[in-house]
Order: sequence, then C-alpha cells, then structure tokens
Amino acid sequence: DAKTTQPPSMDCAEGRAANLPCNHSTISGNEYVYWYRQIHSQGPQYIIHGLKNNETNEMASLIITEDRKSSTLILPHATLRDTAVYYCIVLHTGGFKTIFGAGTRLFVKA
Amino acid sequence: DTAVSQTPKYLVTQMGNDKSIKCEQNLGHDTMYWYKQDSKKFLKIMFSYNNKELIINETVPNRFSPKSPDKAHLNLHINSLELGDSAVYFCASSQVGSENTGELFFGEGSRLTVL
Repeated sequence: DAKTTQPPSMDCAEGRAANLPCNHSTISGNEYVYWYRQIHSQGPQYIIHGLKNNETNEMASLIITEDRKSSTLILPHATLRDTAVYYCIVLHTGGFKTIFGAGTRLFVKA
Repeated sequence: DTAVSQTPKYLVTQMGNDKSIKCEQNLGHDTMYWYKQDSKKFLKIMFSYNNKELIINETVPNRFSPKSPDKAHLNLHINSLELGDSAVYFCASSQVGSENTGELFFGEGSRLTVL
C-alpha cells in the first residue's frame, strides 16, 4: 500500500508556480521520496527524488521538511503541458517495489 | 531509440483467448516490471524480474505468466482472458543499486480490451 498522502486535485494558473504537497509521516531513514507524473494515458515519467536535502533539476524542485514527514514538489513556471497526475512515492535504497497511490491531478489553466 | 518499447499498443480480443504482450528495454537495466492500470486509473505492480529472476509477484492470478528470456526482455502472457483483464499494461525497467537512482522508465503502455 502507498505510504503517502496527496490531495486528489489541484489547479494552477499557467506561468505560476505549482506547489504539490505530499505527506509521508511514516517514512524511515533509508527511504527516498520520489516523484513521477503521468500525462493523460502515457507511461509515468520520473521527475525527481531526494533523501533529506532539497533537490532541483531541469524539471522541478523538491523541498523536504527537516523531519522528512512531508515534501513539496515545485514546478516553477507551470505550462498547459504540465497538466497530469503527479505521484509521490517513498522507496528505500535498493528497493524494487515502487507503489503508486492515487496521486494529485494537477490542472494548469490558461 | 525508444528506451522501453511494448508491443502491441492496442489489443482487442474475446473472452477465453490467450494473448501476449512483449516488452524490450535498451537501457542495459537489470530489473524489469509489469504494471496494470485499470479503468479507475490505479497503477498496480504485478511482477518484477531482476537479472531474469522473478522477485515480485503481487498475488496475480496464475493465468498471467511473465517470461524473461534475457535481461532486456520481459513478456507477459495471459491465458483464458476475462473481462476484468481489460486495462492498460505498462512495462518498466530500472537499475537498482547504491550508485543508481533506481528511477523507473516506463513504456507507452499496451491497452488490452476483452470483449
């Protein structure tokens, strides 16, 4: 079962930052936080992951709280093409079993 | 080149038939997976193979039989198809290890419709 909690849906205006929250209060010390997204019915796409430090790549930023019980995925300038379901997942180092929850459906509006 | 490719993309068949979906990855990964996404859009892991050995089998009916002839291929054979098998099946691969990110690379999916 998924060990994360996400809001079912969110709206964001095009060009604004989209901040997607995730609660993972039972995360253990060797578990990473991963984010994926699924655009329409395409295969899910990896976005970013982190352990305890904040991370940034060309797609997004990941902010993890100091107690690691929650995190926020930030899309700095959302576009219409960012409309998708975003999944927050915890997985330990070397883990094979990536379990997807219901995710957050992000609607980016013009 | 497509990293993870699945065939066919669409499959329409009658109840009771047997069908296969093929998956190939050219990323050199050791681990491959099958996921099922039903009409409610929940993405559920079915199987995982690591170096051709089955490591995850999520209480999937034994009508589903994965086959991994080598590390680059993981095929899914389904016997006696039922209406409830209608779904999109996604293949994925990853490289798991302390020096790897372990991220999953997914194929585009194979939409199976059982009539």
